[in-house]
Amino acid sequence: GAVVSQHPSWVICKSGTSVKIECRSLDFQATTMFWYRQFPKQSLMLMATSNEGSKATYEQGVEKDKFLINHASLTLSTLTVTSAHPEDSSFYICSARESGTGGGNYGYTFGSGTRLTVV
Amino acid sequence: AQSVTQLDSQVPVFEEAPVELRCNYSSSVSVYLFWYVQYPNQGLQLLLKYLSGSTLVKGINGFEAEFNKSQTSFHLRKPSVHISDTAEYFCAVSQNSGYSTLTFGKGTMLLVSP
Repeated sequence: GAVVSQHPSWVICKSGTSVKIECRSLDFQATTMFWYRQFPKQSLMLMATSNEGSKATYEQGVEKDKFLINHASLTLSTLTVTSAHPEDSSFYICSARESGTGGGNYGYTFGSGTRLTVV
Repeated sequence: AQSVTQLDSQVPVFEEAPVELRCNYSSSVSVYLFWYVQYPNQGLQLLLKYLSGSTLVKGINGFEAEFNKSQTSFHLRKPSVHISDTAEYFCAVSQNSGYSTLTFGKGTMLLVSP
């Protein structure tokens, strides 16, 4: 089945530094990838939708200059948390939708998540 | 726009007992419905999905769900749970077009004890 690899699984960084998280579809092409943020014991909140080769679409309230998303190829999307602060500490999860799926063949696959801790 | 309500934040149950996790949705258009499971510090794994056709959907790990359009519900059931089913369960909905985003409920923590 479809597999999405997300790295790193956890990262600790100092306040003010930047952190990059990678989301890679291993055995399929993903035209669209999604980035979610999850606070402890809460649901997933969609941060942005990225389409290969174009700018990401950010949800209301998400700072596009802080959370930089790049989707340069059909198998890789990256989320960079710039100038991280302790309030950015969270669990970030990516999801990829297989190209050409829609209608009756709904292919969403999730990565294993990245635990970011900013100290 | 659509929304999902999972009324139970936590459901405690004994091993081998049946369980039902409730999910209600709201949407002005036809929808696709999903149940996902999340183990600690992991991503989401798809349990089952309803796209069309039979309203009773069978998924992995012995779970099933029934789509009830009149009650706008998609409750998840398992006749006999195991300790290993302890996890967070999320109901999600999307519009039934090919390129709609998922909207998640707040999740239900299933706690299975011996």
